[in-house]
Amino acid sequence: SAVISQKPSRDICQRGTSLTIQCQVDSQVTMMFWYRQQPGQSLTLIATANQGSEATYESGFVIDKFPISRPNLTFSTLTVSNMSPEDSSIYLCSVGRGTYEQYFGPGTRLTVT
Amino acid sequence: GENVEQHPSTLSVQEGDSAVIKCTYSDSASNYFPWYKQELGKGPQLIIDIRSNVGEKKDQRIAVTLNKTAKHFSLHITETQPEDSAVYFCAASIRNNNDMRFGAGTRLTVKP
Repeated sequence: SAVISQKPSRDICQRGTSLTIQCQVDSQVTMMFWYRQQPGQSLTLIATANQGSEATYESGFVIDKFPISRPNLTFSTLTVSNMSPEDSSIYLCSVGRGTYEQYFGPGTRLTVT
Repeated sequence: GENVEQHPSTLSVQEGDSAVIKCTYSDSASNYFPWYKQELGKGPQLIIDIRSNVGEKKDQRIAVTLNKTAKHFSLHITETQPEDSAVYFCAASIRNNNDMRFGAGTRLTVKP
């Protein structure tokens, strides 16, 4: 598996502002992902964070709203831009191990007021 | 794309009883099926997984079964304990770890 940390663990933000979430892994990984989990819901993939190139976004998610950086093989950031109350969710980063396995970080709990 | 359905959405059992959660998937090309446990305030934890070339896998009190013909797989927890209380998610993947699709989740409550 992998030891994954996220910062911040939670935050309360005002609408119209932006928040950058950090994800740090204890070893180098090729694949890093960002998910959103709305209250009481399942996990939805936002994008795959590619090292050295632009992230690959899933349908319904755009780079202007969720810019992602991946400067190296152990770190990534997700920014939630111009926030609205609908962005209140848990944001999770995960890493790929082997061909299939994914391991998740503890999540960032975001509330937008 | 792949669609994963999970049932039931909530499940309540008495401590010591067994719990079964079922998932179906739509794409016959799916070949990897993990189960995650998410406790309150934490990220999902991978607890067991199964590949398409295996029909059953067991790890202590947890087992997963796969029926590829019917396109469904199940999580079985025996001798449940209060610490098993959590939300459980199934998932299915076709090619590699960037196409994983998750079920809606099952909230399991184990009553002492």
